[in-house]
Amino acid sequence: QMQLQESGPGLVKPSETLSLTCIVSGGSIRSSSYYWGWIRQPPGKGLEWIGSIFYSGRPYYNPSLKSRVTISVDTSKNQFSLNLSSVTAADTAVYYCARHLTAAAAIDSWGQGTLVTVSS
Amino acid sequence: DIQMTQSPSTLSASVGDRVTITCRASQSISNWLAWYQQKPGKAPKLLIYKASYLESGVPSRFSGSGSGTEFTLTISSLQPDDFATYYCQQYNSYSWTFGQGTKVEIK
Repeated sequence: QMQLQESGPGLVKPSETLSLTCIVSGGSIRSSSYYWGWIRQPPGKGLEWIGSIFYSGRPYYNPSLKSRVTISVDTSKNQFSLNLSSVTAADTAVYYCARHLTAAAAIDSWGQGTLVTVSS
Repeated sequence: DIQMTQSPSTLSASVGDRVTITCRASQSISNWLAWYQQKPGKAPKLLIYKASYLESGVPSRFSGSGSGTEFTLTISSLQPDDFATYYCQQYNSYSWTFGQGTKVEIK
């Protein structure tokens, strides 16, 4: 069964770039059945879609974050990554990597989530 | 951007109750709607996709309906394990948006 695991620093300074990687195991990221995405959840708040990417295609971003977000795929390492630049305290959240079903546009598999705190 | 509005924000119910949560889209999304359950400290879990299709392994007391702009999630007989927060999520033109969530509490 495919599993997703986020990795990256838990603390990032204001104005710096948040970088996270999602390692996909138990299956290939080079599948036409899935998109790969990032979702975040500030403490005590709801879910926010950040962006998603197909293994061979262009990424798609939340318009509210588009100017600061880059999502990329490394098929040789079976992983995908998130960079969020110029972070502020408002970017403090649990960040989830996730797998979208292309046929249903629903997220059927999630990483466990990683808390990233923006603080000096 | 398509906005998703869930109601109510909080719902108090008892075990055995029939519970309905509504999600409205700011424009038509056909049936591109999913429902998730989230418990504290855990990742969300997919319950329903394409508005009415039950995800494998999800109890049949969960059901979804609707199309266009109005959707509902129904729990036919609330169980102790169902006290959680529920989110709807839409898909349209390579953009995904979540509702703000509905917390189902013990009455």
